[in-house]
Amino acid sequence: AQRVTQPEKLLSVFKGAPVELKCNYSYSGSPELFWYVQYSRQRLQLLLRHISRESIKGFTADLNKGETSFHLKKPFAQEEDSAMYYCALSGLEETSGSRLTFGEGTQLTVNP
Amino acid sequence: DAMVIQNPRYQVTQFGKPVTLSCSQTLNHNVMYWYQQKSSQAPKLLFHYYDKDFNNEADTPDNFQSRRPNTSFCFLDIRSPGLGDAAMYLCATSNWRETQYFGPGTRLLVL
Repeated sequence: AQRVTQPEKLLSVFKGAPVELKCNYSYSGSPELFWYVQYSRQRLQLLLRHISRESIKGFTADLNKGETSFHLKKPFAQEEDSAMYYCALSGLEETSGSRLTFGEGTQLTVNP
Repeated sequence: DAMVIQNPRYQVTQFGKPVTLSCSQTLNHNVMYWYQQKSSQAPKLLFHYYDKDFNNEADTPDNFQSRRPNTSFCFLDIRSPGLGDAAMYLCATSNWRETQYFGPGTRLLVL
């Protein structure tokens, strides 16, 4: 069975401070990890995926298979980063679609 | 430009009265997904269609069914809604192994 854990439901930081949203997973096969974001009154959208190795809106995340983690980081938080962030996992072995297992989310608030 | 559209945005139904939620897409993606998200919980996959092939999650209740009459449309049917089925229902689409695009969701209230 696959599982995604986001230990913090709420995270509050000040503008300009570094931010790290934690994500741990359990999966017996080869995982693909994602971060999705939901801004207020908007739909869920992809922020980044580990295979792309991109930096989106200043956010980065590195897959650490030894620690089974995929933490999301940004060196200098901005007020517009305030949103709900979901970590999600899919198995690379899957043959139909990409079945996502989501964590319960972390609500990030960036204070001025 | 809305790419994944869900109707209605809010749906109120009575306990035990069948209800259908609708999803359409303009992306021509071959995979369509339905997720259930209860308050303060993670979105949970109910089932998905890969083209016309239906894939049910093992723990999805029999009360939930889905139809995909063509590439653009997918429906979620709840045969006999219970109070525990009140939730946000999210539709998503993708091509195989590519990014999933989500709709705005339909919030279902069961009275």
